[in-house]
Amino acid sequence: DAGVTQSPTHLIKTRGQHVTLRCSPISGHKSVSWYQQVLGQGPQFIFQYYEKEERGRGNFPDRFSARQFPNYSSELNVNALLLGDSALYLCASSRTGFRDTEAFFGQGTRLTVV
Amino acid sequence: GQQLNQSPQSMFIQEGEDVSMNCTSSSIFNTWLWYKQDPGEGPVLLIALYKAGELTSNGRLTAQFGITRKDSFLNISASIPSDVGIYFCAGQLEGAQKLVFGQGTRLTINP
Repeated sequence: DAGVTQSPTHLIKTRGQHVTLRCSPISGHKSVSWYQQVLGQGPQFIFQYYEKEERGRGNFPDRFSARQFPNYSSELNVNALLLGDSALYLCASSRTGFRDTEAFFGQGTRLTVV
Repeated sequence: GQQLNQSPQSMFIQEGEDVSMNCTSSSIFNTWLWYKQDPGEGPVLLIALYKAGELTSNGRLTAQFGITRKDSFLNISASIPSDVGIYFCAGQLEGAQKLVFGQGTRLTINP
């Protein structure tokens, strides 16, 4: 079975631009979470979606938004990019998204803002 | 916000040595997870712990969920070169959906 897949793997954008990152969860998993990982630090929670509804939001500005589709895939959108948005963006899928479930990560999308 | 204090930040060991790292928090966690991350890759789940006091092994890896629910440790026995990488602990708070990650422990092994 395929694991969590993310696209693109690498992306370079200019300040002020918009970016869309995509994630396909493991087959059978209904929850997708997004994390931002700045170099040298642990991942920071951005959003969680379960059954197409937002279930959690981290401490990120409104420039960050996400959605989940009927097939459980997800998109993360970031508007008005800043240099500080440069990071590895990770998508994690879990079976239900509730407690006592394990989260599996994709390989990430490396976003560089110049 | 909630934070996990992971230590040590880095370790330099000889191949074959045992390794121990831990995470502590001021908050009570429901679940503890340990991940390994290689450069340019996403974290890979190593061990998941769900009950206070639980001790779980995965090959040469052993992890424990502290009885106070505020800490966890990971041991690696007889380290080998492929153990090199960054190890992260992650906790899930009661009633919360998100994982809170530690800062990571970078493991370097001298052959």
